[in-house]
Amino acid sequence: EDKVVQSPLSLVVHEGDTVTLNCSYEVTNFRSLLWYKQEKKAPTFLFMLTSSGIEKKSGRLSSILDKKELFSILNITATQTGDSAIYLCAVGELQGAQKLVFGQGTRLTINP
Amino acid sequence: DTAVSQTPKYLVTQMGNDKSIKCEQNLGHDTMYWYKQDSKKFLKIMFSYNNKELIINETVPNRFSPKSPDKAHLNLHINSLELGDSAVYFCASSQAGQQYFGPGTRLTVT
Repeated sequence: EDKVVQSPLSLVVHEGDTVTLNCSYEVTNFRSLLWYKQEKKAPTFLFMLTSSGIEKKSGRLSSILDKKELFSILNITATQTGDSAIYLCAVGELQGAQKLVFGQGTRLTINP
Repeated sequence: DTAVSQTPKYLVTQMGNDKSIKCEQNLGHDTMYWYKQDSKKFLKIMFSYNNKELIINETVPNRFSPKSPDKAHLNLHINSLELGDSAVYFCASSQAGQQYFGPGTRLTVT
């Protein structure tokens, strides 16, 4: 069965710290890996990764994919209280349309 | 200029009732989805439509029936609601692999 596992499930740090969130996966028809940020409502898109070893960066956030070891990490540097959210990892499979299999999420809390 | 919209945002109803949730996207995408997010925040795909055709149908009770009148709309009808149906239901649309989510409909069955 397809599986996406995120760790840790919960993380509490102080403002200014750097955090690394992990995502490992086992899926049959891998197409892409996506990271989303969910605050109170809808998940909002952060990154989509399709190739190994190429870092994607957006401000203080960055992410990289390892297709050999089947995992991805999401780094956030110089964290701010506004980074507090649930971070969701999803793996896209091609089944006619792209099906996303989500991990259980990492709840990140940034304390001032 | 909302990209993916859902109505209603909140829905409180009693067991046994039938209810519908509507979704519309103005992004011109061909593919739309319904997801269910449970109380532990686990998001799980239910259905996917591509250009009005059902593409993905996960193991979902027959009480759930999606309908796509055109490629910009995907509605979800639920018959004989049960307590376990309480969750947040998200609609999404996609093109080129990236999915855009609607604001969600919080369904509470009492």
